[in-house]
Amino acid sequence: DIQLTQSPSSLSASIGDRVTITCRASQTINDFLNWYQQKPGQAPKVLIYAASNLQSGVPSRFGGSGFGTDFTLTISSLQPEDSATYYCQQSHSIPRTFGPGTKVDIK
Amino acid sequence: QVQLQESGPGLVKPSQTLSLTCAVSGASISSGGYYWTWIRQLPGKGLEWIGYIYYTGNTYYNPSLKSRSTISVDTSKNQFSLKMTSVTAADTGVYYCARAGVMAIQSHFDYWGQGARVSVSS
Repeated sequence: DIQLTQSPSSLSASIGDRVTITCRASQTINDFLNWYQQKPGQAPKVLIYAASNLQSGVPSRFGGSGFGTDFTLTISSLQPEDSATYYCQQSHSIPRTFGPGTKVDIK
Repeated sequence: QVQLQESGPGLVKPSQTLSLTCAVSGASISSGGYYWTWIRQLPGKGLEWIGYIYYTGNTYYNPSLKSRSTISVDTSKNQFSLKMTSVTAADTGVYYCARAGVMAIQSHFDYWGQGARVSVSS
């Protein structure tokens, strides 16, 4: 199985801050990396697919980059509604796997 | 608008079988192009992919759950189902159905159900 690690596991940032979350794969996955946002009591919602493609309807302050084993999710200007847990997920191999999540809080 | 809705018992006894169904609206399973997926989230833990099915009946499972899991599809009702046998308390959690594209660029989970909370307890 492809293992995904995320860092940090949690962070606290202020409104307007630039926030960066990283995801590292245990083997190369090209650009088969997706990012999801999950709020308490809700299903995850896709933000970024194929490493850098913004899902329709997602605010442009969210961005993704990376290829191979190292990937980044960036929130360019943190908003109150961005308080959530963020997961990366690989769609390169079966079984599909998710990272352990990064919890983002607002200071 | 594509919508997925899970249904099934919220309480299952240990050693019995967990059965859930996902009703799909706004899209036809038999049109192809998508894998219909089960994912679970155990308390305090992350997300675990259980497996998915194509409209032809082709299935793909997580090896860690394959021996206990069966995913089936009913195209006439536009729904798909999960059965998981020999459940224990460790299977307690929220079970989601979701859709993933077959094409590589669309292989993310783009639509999700709201989740079905399942508790395994006597």
